[in-house]
Amino acid sequence: KQEVTQIPAALSVPEGENLVLNCSFTDSAIYNLQWFRQDPGKGLTSLLLIQSSQREQTSGRLNASLDKSSGRSTLYIAASQPGDSATYLCAARDSGGGADGLTFGKGTHLIIQP
Amino acid sequence: ETGVTQTPRHLVMGMTNKKSLKCEQHLGHNAMYWYKQSAKKPLELMFVYSLEERVENNSVPSRFSPECPNSSHLFLHLHTLQPEDSALYLCASSQAQGWTEAFFGQGTRLTVV
Repeated sequence: KQEVTQIPAALSVPEGENLVLNCSFTDSAIYNLQWFRQDPGKGLTSLLLIQSSQREQTSGRLNASLDKSSGRSTLYIAASQPGDSATYLCAARDSGGGADGLTFGKGTHLIIQP
Repeated sequence: ETGVTQTPRHLVMGMTNKKSLKCEQHLGHNAMYWYKQSAKKPLELMFVYSLEERVENNSVPSRFSPECPNSSHLFLHLHTLQPEDSALYLCASSQAQGWTEAFFGQGTRLTVV
């Protein structure tokens, strides 16, 4: 059974810093890995999707990498801003076939101090 | 706006009530999902529908009953719930093939009293 772990559980940094959020998964047989952002009491906003054949994806100040063999992904946020404060979730989609759901980590709660 | 709309946004119900959560997607996807998000726990997959057929039921109690009348609509029928069922219920959609991006609705905050 797939298990996803995110480290750290919480992070508080001053505005402007570059930071890295970590995600690890136990079963490397995945279709893809997706990073989400969740604001308090809200739904999930998709940030980046990395296919199993890809090494990284970039969107604006965000860069996500994937090392499938070691079961790791990182989300890099450049020049952090207070608006980046949220919980960041990573989720792995297993390649068991069909419309498999996502397995989520518990998230990293990020606070960017103005 | 993610293209996935959930109603209602908030729901308070008694343990003997029957209610339904609704989800609608405007993305042309053919797979829809229900997830449960409880405090201090990761999101938990409850049900998966692909091409309107249920393909996965993650050992969810029978007091939760899903319905998928077409590829754009998904319901979660609730009856005789327990206080521990209070949570944020999230709907998502994607293409049935596993290599596509999943999009989530804003969720329904359910409180069982």
